[in-house]
Amino acid sequence: GDSVTQMEGPVTLSEEAFLTINCTYTATGYPSLFWYVQYPGEGLQLLLKATKADDKGSNKGFEATYRKETTSFHLEKGSVQVSDSAVYFCALRAPDSNYQLIWGAGTKLIIKP
Amino acid sequence: DAGVTQSPTHLIKTRGQQVTLRCSPISGHKSVSWYQQVLGQGPQFIFQYYEKEERGRGNFPDRFSARQFPNYSSELNVNALLLGDSALYLCASSLLSPADTQYFGPGTRLTVL
Repeated sequence: GDSVTQMEGPVTLSEEAFLTINCTYTATGYPSLFWYVQYPGEGLQLLLKATKADDKGSNKGFEATYRKETTSFHLEKGSVQVSDSAVYFCALRAPDSNYQLIWGAGTKLIIKP
Repeated sequence: DAGVTQSPTHLIKTRGQQVTLRCSPISGHKSVSWYQQVLGQGPQFIFQYYEKEERGRGNFPDRFSARQFPNYSSELNVNALLLGDSALYLCASSLLSPADTQYFGPGTRLTVL
């Protein structure tokens, strides 16, 4: 079945460091891919998305490119801030599964000043 | 504009009891999905409703049920609670169908003792 695999956390970085959180997926057909973020004590917020191969989603300095050849959707940011500390979830939505979201386990990101 | 709202925020029940969780979608949204998020894991899909009809169901027992009302709000019911039902229950709404971007509420934290 469809699945998402994320790198395990926590990921601890210093402020202004470069961030990569790896995400790979298994799916039939052509899924849409998402990154959601969950700040402490808050609900899930859509960070960015991509709906077809080679699309790049971007928001708040974060980017991810839909790579069908490597079945990946890695999240990147050039210079992280303390306020980016949160849990990041990669998810896919497959058109042949009633559009439900399939989620990775989440990656906790800790940014130290 | 108000986002997705859920009530109650927190709930404590004992094994064997029944619980009802409520969700109000973003105004104008017609689709609601429910997810269960166990601590430290990604959300798991429970139900999806679109235009007041069940459109999808995840791998959860019959103790879980839901419905969507004419105003598009929704309730999730869980009977005969087990310790393992302790989790954050998330509601997400989307504009016209589940294929649209899903926006999440803050969740209801259920603790079963």
